[in-house]
Amino acid sequence: AQSVSQHNHHVILSEAASLELGCNYSYGGTVNLFWYVQYPGQHLQLLLKYFSGDPLVKGIKGFEAEFIKSKFSFNLRKPSVQWSDTAEYFCAVNARNDYKLSFGAGTTVTVRA
Amino acid sequence: DTGVSQDPRHKITKRGQNVTFRCDPISEHNRLYWYRQTLGQGPEFLTYFQNEAQLEKSRLLSNRFSAERPKGSFSTLEIQRTEQGDSAMYLCASSTTGGAGQETQYFGPGTRLLVL
Repeated sequence: AQSVSQHNHHVILSEAASLELGCNYSYGGTVNLFWYVQYPGQHLQLLLKYFSGDPLVKGIKGFEAEFIKSKFSFNLRKPSVQWSDTAEYFCAVNARNDYKLSFGAGTTVTVRA
Repeated sequence: DTGVSQDPRHKITKRGQNVTFRCDPISEHNRLYWYRQTLGQGPEFLTYFQNEAQLEKSRLLSNRFSAERPKGSFSTLEIQRTEQGDSAMYLCASSTTGGAGQETQYFGPGTRLLVL
């Protein structure tokens, strides 16, 4: 079974700062990779996903993530955060054709105005 | 609204009682998943259905947990003889069969269970 680790439990930033959240997984085969976001009081929403092809994927709200296969990583980035990016961010992985997702513990991001 | 819906959104029960949660997936999504999320953790997979067939249930936490999807549309998750450790958020997700194992799960708002 795959496991997912997210490096930071809580990140505090000021508006306009850059954000990078780390995600590493343990599985040697082909994987699908996801970042989900949960805004305060809302449900989990898909931010972006990687299945194949260009390892740099772009998602909603200016987020992007880079898949580095050799490092088993799928880090999330945003060049300039806004107060509205305050949320909890989850990295998730599933092995291709194994539909259950394995999630990291999540990173709470607080953006100060 | 065509998203995944769950009912109830909150449930408070006493230890030993049975509870049942309902999930309505996105229309025409043939796969439906149940996850559990406890405080400070990411969602943990419990079980999933393809149409009405329950294809994996090994991760259900004990034999007190059961799930059904009788007509391949909505699903129910039942917990019998609840314990305080069952307190958590129960999430439902749905997806449609993607090509080559590529599919995206869409999550509902969850049912938050508190067992007193």
